[in-house]
Amino acid sequence: QSVLTQPPSASGTPGQRVTISCSGSISNFGSNSVNWYQQLPGTAPKLLIYNSHQRPSGVPDRFSGSKSGTSASLAISGLQSEDEADYYCATWSDSLSAYVFGTGTKVTVL
Amino acid sequence: QLHLQESGPGLVKPSETVSLTCTVSGGSISSSSYYWGWIRQPPGKGLEWIGTNYYSGRTYYNPSLTSRVTVSVDTPKNQLSLKLTSVTAADTAVYYCAGGYTFDYWGQGTLVTVSS
Repeated sequence: QSVLTQPPSASGTPGQRVTISCSGSISNFGSNSVNWYQQLPGTAPKLLIYNSHQRPSGVPDRFSGSKSGTSASLAISGLQSEDEADYYCATWSDSLSAYVFGTGTKVTVL
Repeated sequence: QLHLQESGPGLVKPSETVSLTCTVSGGSISSSSYYWGWIRQPPGKGLEWIGTNYYSGRTYYNPSLTSRVTVSVDTPKNQLSLKLTSVTAADTAVYYCAGGYTFDYWGQGTLVTVSS
């Protein structure tokens, strides 16, 4: 059972803004940053956001991340059909000495 | 740009040991500050971290798997390996190797099915 909780699903129409939350505890997030991964259907996960808000080279600026206290969020602005995927947050848990993934959120473009 | 490729048996019998290898190309597995790990995903379910080998040599494991798992790096072969003992049907999953500063790079994954 994951210690990072995400909503199971989120949806929006093309062009809309969608936000995904990732809730944990102080023992998990603490002072550690959050990473986000995008998994398109049938493919391996891909790093989308690291250090809570930074984008790797090649990731569109439509994707943004933030973290405050014991929660983090991923926002997708200008939603596109190719954004339909599963999204996972992840962080290092000091209390568990383990890298933990969130429960995952399936984004559907209506 | 690093490229990771997993390999291993697709089918394993219950109680046996599964050994997987991840071959890294396009760079050295001993690159400073990189870490290398394994993540798995049961069919239709979410991601589960298995373990990570840090460039310092220290290895961390998922507490729920630590008694059965070994992650190691073979620097001369530029390979990462995973050994999981006493497997059951619950270990059936796609196994990914990943590396970088924040799992920047992923392999395509290899399906391991545990069945008699």
